[in-house]
Amino acid sequence: DTGVSQDPRHKITKRGQNVTFRCDPISEHNRLYWYRQTLGQGPEFLTYFQNEAQLEKSRLLSDRFSAERPKGSFSTLEIQRTEQGDSAMYLCASSLAGGAREAFFGQGTRLTVV
Amino acid sequence: AQKVTQAQTEISVVEKEDVTLDCVYETRDTTYYLFWYKQPPSGELVFLIRRNSFDEQNEISGRYSWNFQKSTSSFNFTITASQVVDSAVYFCALSEAYQTGANNLFFGTGTRLTVIP
Repeated sequence: DTGVSQDPRHKITKRGQNVTFRCDPISEHNRLYWYRQTLGQGPEFLTYFQNEAQLEKSRLLSDRFSAERPKGSFSTLEIQRTEQGDSAMYLCASSLAGGAREAFFGQGTRLTVV
Repeated sequence: AQKVTQAQTEISVVEKEDVTLDCVYETRDTTYYLFWYKQPPSGELVFLIRRNSFDEQNEISGRYSWNFQKSTSSFNFTITASQVVDSAVYFCALSEAYQTGANNLFFGTGTRLTVIP
């Protein structure tokens, strides 16, 4: 396995458009996380899944954001009606379940809203 | 509420110097986990270490060492004999165990380390 994979690596979109990002976790990992990182800041937690169940969502995840993990494997993060404030790096991570296991991160999708 | 403070925004050292990156945390939990991650220019966060709150034993891994002190709520990271490849942003993170089964990470703002050849 080559690690956590994210697609696309870069996305430029016009304000008001919808965008969707994909994350493929490490295959044996049943936990999957989404984080957002803005310039000069540390990553901020958005949401996480254990298998296909979305178990927690941050208050940062407004109703324009939705995440899915339909078969407990890959996940998608959709942002509807994008705003300039959504411009950030969106990071996906995965881990094994049980306690605070180390999370392995992908290289991220950099979103620019113009 | 949880908080992670990395007061050093940027540090520059000359190659082969030792450097310590500071991390101070706040939590009301008695059981928690601390992490360090490295983010090189490529952007991918690389896991370095995890430490739980019951294990205050310091750890050494090659040129890396970590000093965990609960009394001062600090989890500092030292790189010995720094190399240019150590140049990156380093993040300290906290996970509180009360979040049943979860390990959402609360990150500090990071310290950018530049090692000058």
